Amino acid sequence: GAVVSQHPSWVICKSGTSVKIECRSLDFQATTMFWYRQFPKQSLMLMATSNEGSKATYEQGVEKDKFLINHASLTLSTLTVTSAHPEDSSFYICSARGQPERTDTQYFGPGTRLTVL
Amino acid sequence: QQPVQSPQAVILREGEDAVINCSSSKALYSVHWYRQKHGEAPVFLMILLKGGEQKGHEKISASFNEKKQQSSLYLTASQLSYSGTYFCGTAINTGTASKLTFGTGTRLQVTL
Repeated sequence: GAVVSQHPSWVICKSGTSVKIECRSLDFQATTMFWYRQFPKQSLMLMATSNEGSKATYEQGVEKDKFLINHASLTLSTLTVTSAHPEDSSFYICSARGQPERTDTQYFGPGTRLTVL
Repeated sequence: QQPVQSPQAVILREGEDAVINCSSSKALYSVHWYRQKHGEAPVFLMILLKGGEQKGHEKISASFNEKKQQSSLYLTASQLSYSGTYFCGTAINTGTASKLTFGTGTRLQVTL
């Protein structure tokens, strides 16, 4: 159980274009989804937290107009990188969490590698 | 502020033991441990809660010193499959608003 998928697994795009990444919880309802960014050999940095049906909460320094997050259902969240530039190239990983519980375990998707040319 | 992990990297021979430490500057509610292999997503290993409750992998153990805001992950009789980067994720509260701050990471390589 607790499987999270991401699509696409990798994407290459030209500078200035927008890219959408999907995150799905396959066998549970995710009341909260998280979006992380990871540069090579570095740790995971939280970009934003989204709760189903409400606006995402962005971490300090993350541009909400550039990284659009939608959590329209209990099984799907999307991250859209708008007007992507080479510095946006990174590994983007989502995680999902079910109903709040004592352990608050997050389950991670396989990640999406974005390369902006 | 990001939790600090030590060591940064360690090389083991198969069958040897290792300890990975995670230290936070904030009071913690829980510590979550993950292992990530190159190019893949982190895989959940273990969670430790304030008050002593634990949930996780049967072959891996961990401890949580609430007073010192430190946690340690114990890998015994290491196997080749243990290779990867280990991250601790710390939470200062629980519930809807809870989120994880990930540590600096420890790269573990197990050799024959």
